[in-house]
Amino acid sequence: EAGVAQSPRYKIIEKRQSVAFWCNPISGHATLYWYQQILGQGPKLLIQFQNNGVVDDSQLPKDRFSAERLKGVDSTLKIQPAKLEDSAVYLCASSLQGSTMNTEAFFGQGTRLTVV
Amino acid sequence: LAKTTQPISMDSYEGQEVNITCSHNNIATNDYITWYQQFPSQGPRFIIQGYKTKVTNEVASLFIPADRKSSTLSLPRVSLSDTAVYYCLVGNTGGFKTIFGAGTRLFVKA
Repeated sequence: EAGVAQSPRYKIIEKRQSVAFWCNPISGHATLYWYQQILGQGPKLLIQFQNNGVVDDSQLPKDRFSAERLKGVDSTLKIQPAKLEDSAVYLCASSLQGSTMNTEAFFGQGTRLTVV
Repeated sequence: LAKTTQPISMDSYEGQEVNITCSHNNIATNDYITWYQQFPSQGPRFIIQGYKTKVTNEVASLFIPADRKSSTLSLPRVSLSDTAVYYCLVGNTGGFKTIFGAGTRLFVKA
């Protein structure tokens, strides 16, 4: 089966510019996650969707980050304006369900963002 | 959310068994323990998940004592390709909603 698809793989932008990342989860997966992984650290959850509703966005810097999941399938994560400290790998993951049951999460390869 | 503590790094040689222990003293009754593996430039990959006692799959074994305050990931006969970062997560929603720590960097030498 196809895995989680993310694009682009790499992106370099100047600070104060905006950028968007796209994620296509595994077909049929209701839950979608966006993580930020700074070099040398573990992934940090930014936002979790259940279908097209937000379940958890407590760690999303809402002054500059936004995310949406249209029709409960694809998702986009946007940063506007970007700061130097936003340089990281942005990972998308999906799972069959993520509320009360434990299920395996499948991660994409990520988008490496460099802000200069 | 339960916090986990793992060794920062470990070294091993090909063919050896590697055991990585994770401490999670504040684990809740309905929490599961999940381990992920991450190679450079890739997203984390699920290895194994358990609630208590022992779980084994084709890749690894997971040992969980009765008090569930720790767990040990066991990788039998590691190879160079097992060099990666291993993350222990504790939670009741697939483990991934909880905090990823810095993980354990395993170096397998020839």
